[in-house]
Amino acid sequence: DQQVKQNSPSLSVQEGRISILNCDYTNSMFDYFLWYKKYPAEGPTFLISISSIKDKNEDGRFTVFLNKSAKHLSLHIVPSQPGDSAVYFCAASDIQGAQKLVFGQGTRLTINP
Amino acid sequence: DGGITQSPKYLFRKEGQNVTLSCEQNLNHDAMYWYRQDPGQGLRLIYYSQIVNDFQKGDIAEGYSVSREKKESFPLTVTSAQKNPTAFYLCASYPWRGSSYNEQFFGPGTRLTVL
Repeated sequence: DQQVKQNSPSLSVQEGRISILNCDYTNSMFDYFLWYKKYPAEGPTFLISISSIKDKNEDGRFTVFLNKSAKHLSLHIVPSQPGDSAVYFCAASDIQGAQKLVFGQGTRLTINP
Repeated sequence: DGGITQSPKYLFRKEGQNVTLSCEQNLNHDAMYWYRQDPGQGLRLIYYSQIVNDFQKGDIAEGYSVSREKKESFPLTVTSAQKNPTAFYLCASYPWRGSSYNEQFFGPGTRLTVL
């Protein structure tokens, strides 16, 4: 049973445009969410997180939106840059911290020049 | 500088052999984790440890074993009982005590190929 789902295995975006990556979850107990970025043959690096008490969190070019009623979160990257080409994982936790995470399958983002 | 190291980067073994993957951290984190990544799949939790000399099974622990004798080290043994051991293995750590709204920190990974 996949509790965290990223239904788009891949996404292709023009450089300079907005990239929107989506993530859905089924467990209503999840209340802390994270996005990680991963290059091939490397470990994931943390990008941005959001607690369930918020509906938006922004850090530079990256913004995460949380819609609790829809059990949906999204990551917006504006403007997209070639270095953003990577696999993006969303992750969720049912406690206020990242002690135990459930990951989605990942979305491969390709930024085209 | 602080971080998580995993060695080796690439590992080849013959079928039926046990192999141990190394993970060391100097972040003074309490908790350590092992994940497995397969193509098209997310990270799946194998084992985790919140404190020295204690560890818990994750979602896919069968065929794996771990130990946590030191805070800094959390080695993973892939045994011959693991049906499909070829994968990318990731180690992570987390402060745990007194932490909230933080993230898990990941090592660079070990690519294990069983021939």
